[in-house]
Amino acid sequence: QVQLQESGPGLVKPSETLSLTCTVSGGSISGNYWSWIRQPPGKGLEWIGYFYYSGSTNYNPSLKSRVSMSVDTSKSQFSLKLTSVTAADTAVYYCAGWTSSWFDPWGQGTLVTVSS
Amino acid sequence: QSALTQPRSVSGSPGQSVTISCTGTSSDVGGYNYVSWYQQHPGKAPKLMIYDVSQRPSGVPDRFSGSKSGNTASLTISGLQAEDEADYYCCSFAGRYTFVIFGGGTKLTVL
Repeated sequence: QVQLQESGPGLVKPSETLSLTCTVSGGSISGNYWSWIRQPPGKGLEWIGYFYYSGSTNYNPSLKSRVSMSVDTSKSQFSLKLTSVTAADTAVYYCAGWTSSWFDPWGQGTLVTVSS
Repeated sequence: QSALTQPRSVSGSPGQSVTISCTGTSSDVGGYNYVSWYQQHPGKAPKLMIYDVSQRPSGVPDRFSGSKSGNTASLTISGLQAEDEADYYCCSFAGRYTFVIFGGGTKLTVL
């Protein structure tokens, strides 16, 4: 069964770049869609974007100018970069598999705080 | 695009049934049969409970069911159990530009 695990810094300074990695185990990263979703503390879920292992991407229009996603198939990892962060980007960030129209499985999530 | 509209909270007693609504527009919920529902316990990752409006992944109890009418999707939980107490989020495909939109979440309390 496929399992996902997020990793990366838990604290990022304002105006800097947030970088997270998701490691896929128990399955292949190739041939599948992968996504990032975030949840500000005490709030709801927000889709950040998805990418296909071959490189095609689709990002939330509200974040599109600051988001990029990439994949390293040799390491079974995919990554998220979010530039010019502010306190509003403080959230738990989840990686998830994207299958046609639903998200499954999900990683356990990692809290990223934007603060100086 | 605004989030899908869900009630902030619902409650029910053990054994009862509850229904959580998720209202969107013809550009999302009403336009596609691509509504999914997620259960989230405090401090945990969301878990897929329903996909494609009414399909249940393996391992999800048949007490959970989904439906849709017009621009509103619904999640019904029958035979409420204490472990059903959680936050529930709906999600819908919303076209090639917006792509995916979530509801604001509903807190289910089992009395």
